[in-house]
Amino acid sequence: AQSVTQLGSHVSVSEGALVLLRCNYSSSVPPYLFWYVQYPNQGLQLLLKYTSAATLVKGINGFEAEFKKSETSFHLTKPSAHMSDAAEYFCAVSDDRYTDKLIFGTGTRLQVFP
Amino acid sequence: SQTIHQWPATLVQPVGSPLSLECTVEGTSNPNLYWYRQAAGRGLQLLFYSVGIGQISSEVPQNLSASRPQDRQFILSSKKLLLSDSGFYLCAWSVLMNTEAFFGQGTRLTVV
Repeated sequence: AQSVTQLGSHVSVSEGALVLLRCNYSSSVPPYLFWYVQYPNQGLQLLLKYTSAATLVKGINGFEAEFKKSETSFHLTKPSAHMSDAAEYFCAVSDDRYTDKLIFGTGTRLQVFP
Repeated sequence: SQTIHQWPATLVQPVGSPLSLECTVEGTSNPNLYWYRQAAGRGLQLLFYSVGIGQISSEVPQNLSASRPQDRQFILSSKKLLLSDSGFYLCAWSVLMNTEAFFGQGTRLTVV
Protein backbone atom coordinates (compact mmCIF):
# COMPACT_ATOMS: atom_id res chain seq x y z
CA ALA A 1 0.00 0.00 0.00
CA GLN A 2 1.20 3.49 -0.71
CA SER A 3 2.18 5.90 2.05
CA VAL A 4 3.55 9.39 2.52
CA THR A 5 6.05 10.62 5.08
CA GLN A 6 6.48 14.29 5.88
CA LEU A 7 9.63 14.97 7.88
CA GLY A 8 9.15 17.72 10.45
CA SER A 9 5.74 18.50 11.88
CA HIS A 10 6.80 22.14 12.37
CA VAL A 11 9.06 24.32 10.27
CA SER A 12 9.95 27.91 11.13
CA VAL A 13 11.58 30.38 8.76
CA SER A 14 12.17 34.10 8.63
CA GLU A 15 10.35 36.23 6.11
CA GLY A 16 12.38 36.21 2.88
CA ALA A 17 14.13 32.94 3.66
CA LEU A 18 13.94 29.72 1.66
CA VAL A 19 11.06 27.38 2.46
CA LEU A 20 11.74 23.63 2.22
CA LEU A 21 9.07 21.13 3.24
CA ARG A 22 10.00 17.49 2.84
CA CYS A 23 7.88 14.67 1.51
CA ASN A 24 8.82 11.06 0.72
CA TYR A 25 6.41 8.58 -0.78
CA SER A 26 6.13 4.86 -1.05
CA SER A 27 4.26 3.53 -4.03
CA SER A 28 4.49 0.36 -6.05
CA VAL A 29 3.45 2.10 -9.25
CA PRO A 30 4.19 5.55 -10.70
CA PRO A 31 2.18 7.81 -8.44
CA TYR A 32 0.31 11.05 -8.70
CA LEU A 33 1.67 13.44 -6.06
CA PHE A 34 0.09 16.54 -4.58
CA TRP A 35 0.78 19.36 -2.18
CA TYR A 36 -2.19 20.97 -0.46
CA VAL A 37 -2.28 23.98 1.89
CA GLN A 38 -4.72 24.45 4.75
CA TYR A 39 -5.34 27.77 6.46
CA PRO A 40 -6.87 27.67 9.99
CA ASN A 41 -10.36 26.20 10.10
CA GLN A 42 -10.58 25.95 6.33
CA GLY A 43 -10.57 23.22 3.74
CA LEU A 44 -7.61 22.22 1.63
CA GLN A 45 -6.42 24.13 -1.41
CA LEU A 46 -4.30 22.51 -4.09
CA LEU A 47 -0.85 24.07 -4.44
CA LEU A 48 0.50 21.82 -7.18
CA LYS A 49 0.42 18.31 -8.56
CA TYR A 50 2.71 15.87 -10.35
CA THR A 51 1.10 13.56 -12.90
CA SER A 52 4.12 12.07 -14.72
CA ALA A 53 4.80 15.02 -16.99
CA ALA A 54 7.62 17.44 -16.11
CA THR A 55 9.49 16.48 -12.93
CA LEU A 56 9.69 20.10 -11.77
CA VAL A 57 6.20 21.29 -11.02
CA LYS A 58 5.29 24.92 -10.47
CA GLY A 59 2.27 25.79 -8.41
CA ILE A 60 0.43 28.76 -7.03
CA ASN A 61 1.85 31.43 -4.71
CA GLY A 62 5.43 30.88 -5.93
CA PHE A 63 5.73 27.29 -4.71
CA GLU A 64 7.32 24.50 -6.69
CA ALA A 65 8.20 20.85 -6.14
CA GLU A 66 10.54 18.40 -7.81
CA PHE A 67 9.73 14.75 -8.33
CA LYS A 68 12.81 12.59 -7.77
CA LYS A 69 12.10 8.96 -8.47
CA SER A 70 15.53 7.78 -7.31
CA GLU A 71 14.95 9.37 -3.91
CA THR A 72 11.16 8.75 -3.84
CA SER A 73 10.81 12.39 -2.85
CA PHE A 74 8.58 15.30 -3.74
CA HIS A 75 9.85 18.20 -1.62
CA LEU A 76 8.07 21.57 -1.68
CA THR A 77 10.11 24.76 -1.97
CA LYS A 78 9.68 28.50 -2.21
CA PRO A 79 12.67 30.82 -2.65
CA SER A 80 11.40 33.59 -0.38
CA ALA A 81 8.86 33.10 2.40
CA HIS A 82 6.06 35.56 2.97
CA MET A 83 4.06 36.06 6.15
CA SER A 84 0.94 34.89 4.31
CA ASP A 85 2.58 31.48 3.71
CA ALA A 86 2.03 30.54 7.35
CA ALA A 87 -0.29 27.53 7.20
CA GLU A 88 -0.31 23.75 7.34
CA TYR A 89 0.94 21.87 4.30
CA PHE A 90 0.02 18.35 3.33
CA CYS A 91 1.70 16.04 0.87
CA ALA A 92 -0.52 13.38 -0.69
CA VAL A 93 -0.18 10.44 -3.06
CA SER A 94 -2.61 8.61 -5.28
CA ASP A 95 -2.02 5.63 -7.48
CA ASP A 96 -5.67 4.75 -7.89
CA ARG A 97 -6.67 6.06 -11.29
CA TYR A 98 -10.31 5.10 -10.82
CA THR A 99 -11.26 6.86 -7.61
CA ASP A 100 -8.58 9.49 -6.99
CA LYS A 101 -8.32 8.37 -3.38
CA LEU A 102 -5.63 10.37 -1.65
CA ILE A 103 -3.26 9.16 1.04
CA PHE A 104 -2.06 12.12 3.08
CA GLY A 105 1.00 12.74 5.15
CA THR A 106 0.64 14.01 8.71
CA GLY A 107 1.24 17.60 7.67
CA THR A 108 3.85 20.27 8.32
CA ARG A 109 2.95 23.51 10.03
CA LEU A 110 4.94 26.40 8.58
CA GLN A 111 5.59 29.46 10.73
CA VAL A 112 7.03 32.62 9.21
CA PHE A 113 8.68 35.16 11.47
CA PRO A 114 9.19 38.83 10.54
CA SER B 1 -18.03 26.50 -12.25
CA GLN B 2 -18.05 23.71 -9.73
CA THR B 3 -18.61 24.38 -6.05
CA ILE B 4 -18.87 22.22 -2.97
CA HIS B 5 -20.98 23.06 0.06
CA GLN B 6 -20.50 21.51 3.45
CA TRP B 7 -22.48 22.24 6.59
CA PRO B 8 -22.59 22.99 9.39
CA ALA B 9 -19.24 24.72 9.85
CA THR B 10 -19.07 23.89 13.54
CA LEU B 11 -20.99 21.48 15.72
CA VAL B 12 -20.93 20.59 19.40
CA GLN B 13 -22.74 17.38 20.26
CA PRO B 14 -23.06 15.32 23.46
CA VAL B 15 -21.79 11.76 23.64
CA GLY B 16 -24.45 9.32 22.50
CA SER B 17 -26.30 11.79 20.28
CA PRO B 18 -26.81 11.23 16.53
CA LEU B 19 -24.89 12.99 13.78
CA SER B 20 -25.66 14.09 10.25
CA LEU B 21 -23.22 16.10 8.15
CA GLU B 22 -24.17 17.02 4.62
CA CYS B 23 -22.13 17.78 1.54
CA THR B 24 -23.39 18.82 -1.89
CA VAL B 25 -21.56 19.49 -5.11
CA GLU B 26 -22.73 21.81 -7.87
CA GLY B 27 -21.65 22.19 -11.47
CA THR B 28 -20.57 18.63 -12.22
CA SER B 29 -22.18 15.25 -12.79
CA ASN B 30 -21.31 11.84 -11.40
CA PRO B 31 -18.44 13.01 -9.21
CA ASN B 32 -16.43 10.75 -6.94
CA LEU B 33 -17.18 11.87 -3.38
CA TYR B 34 -15.07 11.49 -0.24
CA TRP B 35 -15.25 12.03 3.50
CA TYR B 36 -11.98 12.68 5.31
CA ARG B 37 -11.35 13.26 9.00
CA GLN B 38 -8.54 15.27 10.52
CA ALA B 39 -8.02 14.52 14.19
CA ALA B 40 -6.07 16.92 16.39
CA GLY B 41 -2.35 16.70 15.62
CA ARG B 42 -2.83 14.14 12.90
CA GLY B 43 -3.10 14.10 9.15
CA LEU B 44 -6.16 13.45 7.07
CA GLN B 45 -7.67 10.00 7.06
CA LEU B 46 -10.01 8.82 4.32
CA LEU B 47 -13.21 7.52 5.89
CA PHE B 48 -15.51 6.82 2.94
CA TYR B 49 -15.62 7.23 -0.80
CA SER B 50 -18.35 6.85 -3.35
CA VAL B 51 -18.21 6.44 -7.11
CA GLY B 52 -21.98 6.59 -7.63
CA ILE B 53 -25.43 6.75 -6.05
CA GLY B 54 -25.78 4.15 -3.34
CA GLN B 55 -22.16 2.99 -3.77
CA ILE B 56 -20.20 3.51 -0.58
CA SER B 57 -16.79 2.11 0.34
CA SER B 58 -15.53 2.30 3.90
CA GLU B 59 -11.81 2.67 4.40
CA VAL B 60 -11.59 2.17 8.15
CA PRO B 61 -13.81 0.50 10.74
CA GLN B 62 -15.53 3.09 12.86
CA ASN B 63 -18.63 4.43 14.47
CA LEU B 64 -19.69 6.34 11.37
CA SER B 65 -21.58 5.58 8.17
CA ALA B 66 -22.07 7.36 4.87
CA SER B 67 -24.82 7.53 2.30
CA ARG B 68 -25.26 8.96 -1.17
CA PRO B 69 -28.96 9.39 -1.84
CA GLN B 70 -28.44 11.63 -4.87
CA ASP B 71 -25.69 12.03 -7.43
CA ARG B 72 -24.20 15.14 -5.85
CA GLN B 73 -25.13 14.64 -2.19
CA PHE B 74 -22.99 12.84 0.37
CA ILE B 75 -24.02 12.42 3.99
CA LEU B 76 -21.95 11.35 6.99
CA SER B 77 -23.91 9.92 9.91
CA SER B 78 -23.67 8.31 13.28
CA LYS B 79 -26.36 6.83 15.52
CA LYS B 80 -24.41 7.45 18.73
CA LEU B 81 -21.38 9.72 18.86
CA LEU B 82 -18.25 8.86 20.83
CA LEU B 83 -15.68 11.28 22.25
CA SER B 84 -13.20 9.89 19.73
CA ASP B 85 -15.40 11.09 16.86
CA SER B 86 -14.29 14.67 17.52
CA GLY B 87 -12.31 16.18 14.68
CA PHE B 88 -12.40 18.23 11.51
CA TYR B 89 -14.44 16.54 8.77
CA LEU B 90 -13.80 17.37 5.16
CA CYS B 91 -15.87 16.47 2.14
CA ALA B 92 -14.18 16.33 -1.26
CA TRP B 93 -15.03 15.55 -4.85
CA SER B 94 -13.16 14.59 -7.98
CA VAL B 95 -13.98 13.73 -11.55
CA LEU B 96 -12.77 10.39 -12.78
CA MET B 97 -9.24 10.58 -14.20
CA ASN B 98 -8.92 14.29 -13.44
CA THR B 99 -6.29 13.50 -10.80
CA GLU B 100 -7.11 16.14 -8.19
CA ALA B 101 -9.69 16.41 -5.43
CA PHE B 102 -11.52 19.59 -4.41
CA PHE B 103 -12.34 20.12 -0.77
CA GLY B 104 -15.15 21.76 1.14
CA GLN B 105 -14.55 24.18 3.99
CA GLY B 106 -14.92 21.48 6.61
CA THR B 107 -17.00 20.86 9.73
CA ARG B 108 -15.40 21.03 13.15
CA LEU B 109 -17.15 18.49 15.36
CA THR B 110 -16.64 18.50 19.10
CA VAL B 111 -18.19 15.68 21.07
CA VAL B 112 -18.60 16.55 24.74
